[in-house]
Amino acid sequence: GENVEQHPSTLSVQEGDSAVIKCTYSDSASNYFPWYKQELGKRPQLIIDIRSNVGEKKDQRIAVTLNKTAKHFSLHITETQPEDSAVYFCAASPGGNQFYFGTGTSLTVIP
Amino acid sequence: DAGVIQSPRHEVTEMGQEVTLRCKLISGHNSLFWYRQTMMRGLELLIYFNNNVPIDDSGMPEDRFSAKMPNASFSTLKIQPSEPRDSAVYFCASSPYRMYGYTFGSGTRLTVV
Repeated sequence: GENVEQHPSTLSVQEGDSAVIKCTYSDSASNYFPWYKQELGKRPQLIIDIRSNVGEKKDQRIAVTLNKTAKHFSLHITETQPEDSAVYFCAASPGGNQFYFGTGTSLTVIP
Repeated sequence: DAGVIQSPRHEVTEMGQEVTLRCKLISGHNSLFWYRQTMMRGLELLIYFNNNVPIDDSGMPEDRFSAKMPNASFSTLKIQPSEPRDSAVYFCASSPYRMYGYTFGSGTRLTVV
């Protein structure tokens, strides 16, 4: 089955700096890559996703890039704010609705 | 739309007791997923259903765990008997069949003492 690895496990940045979280996947059939944000004590929420026919997608301060050849994808957050502090999960889906999640990155934005 | 609704939000029970977690899907969604989240293991898929039919239950830890979907909008996850190592946050999520994007419920925080 699919195996998703996520790095780093923790990340601290100063407010206003950029944050990058990286994930790799193993199954070349995976074609959908969502990112979820989970604030403390709350549910994971979808913040951005990308499909395998696209190399990059941007939504305001958040962008995701995908390198299918290397089987890795990344989340980029620019101009970080304290409210960006949360745990971020990447996931990969080889089809249907089954997702394989990474182990999460705890992001802390220091004011 | 009220989203995916889980109950209870918190459950504290004694070891050996039966625990039932409940989930109501978003209207029109056909796929239902149960996840368990712990610090050690992250988000683990326990089981998922498409159109009320269990598709993959390979993530269910052992026979003490069972899940049902008696109708298109409701599911239960039962643990009998419960053990302290079952303590975790249990999420259900739903999505339209064969489309992308989960919506998670608020989760049930289970503590078995």
